[in-house]
Amino acid sequence: KAGVTQTPRYLIKTRGQQVTLSCSPISGHRSVSWYQQTPGQGLQFLFEYFSETQRNKGNFPGRFSGRQFSNSRSEMNVSTLELGDSALYLCASSFTQSSYEQYFGPGTRLTVT
Amino acid sequence: LAKTTQPISMDSYEGQEVNITCSHNNIATNDYITWYQQFPSQGPRFIIQGYKTKVTNEVASLFIPADRKSSTLSLPRVSLSDTAVYYCLVGPRGMDSNYQLIWGAGTKLIIKP
Repeated sequence: KAGVTQTPRYLIKTRGQQVTLSCSPISGHRSVSWYQQTPGQGLQFLFEYFSETQRNKGNFPGRFSGRQFSNSRSEMNVSTLELGDSALYLCASSFTQSSYEQYFGPGTRLTVT
Repeated sequence: LAKTTQPISMDSYEGQEVNITCSHNNIATNDYITWYQQFPSQGPRFIIQGYKTKVTNEVASLFIPADRKSSTLSLPRVSLSDTAVYYCLVGPRGMDSNYQLIWGAGTKLIIKP
């Protein structure tokens, strides 16, 4: 069974721009969660989508948004990029909602200059 | 959500058994204990999950005492490739719309030749 895939793997953007990251979950998994990982803050939960609905949201500003499609694929959007948004963005899928057994993708390394 | 405390770092040698202990004094009745492994610039990988006593899989064992206020991840005969950060998470398993995974700093395990 194929794992979680994320595209693109690397991205360089300029302050003020926006970016869209994509995640394809493991086949059959209906939940997709997004995380931001930085050396200073560690792994932080952004939001979770299940059956095309946002179920949980972390403590991030409204510039961070997401959506999930009927095939469970998910996208995350960050608008008006700031230097502090430079991070590894990880997507994880699970079979059920709010699961502690999650399967992570390789991440998208975003650099904001 | 139960807070967890782990050692910041540990060293060991190839071929040794490594035990990483996690404290979770205020664990709730319906909480499970989950461990993840993360290599640099990769997403975390689910290792093992348990509720009480002992759970074993092909990768590790998880020991949970009767009071469940701590747990120990045991890695048998480690190799250099086991060098990684290990995270302990505690929380309910199943449908809970108000939860979010909270990741601590984890334990950085360094295996020496």
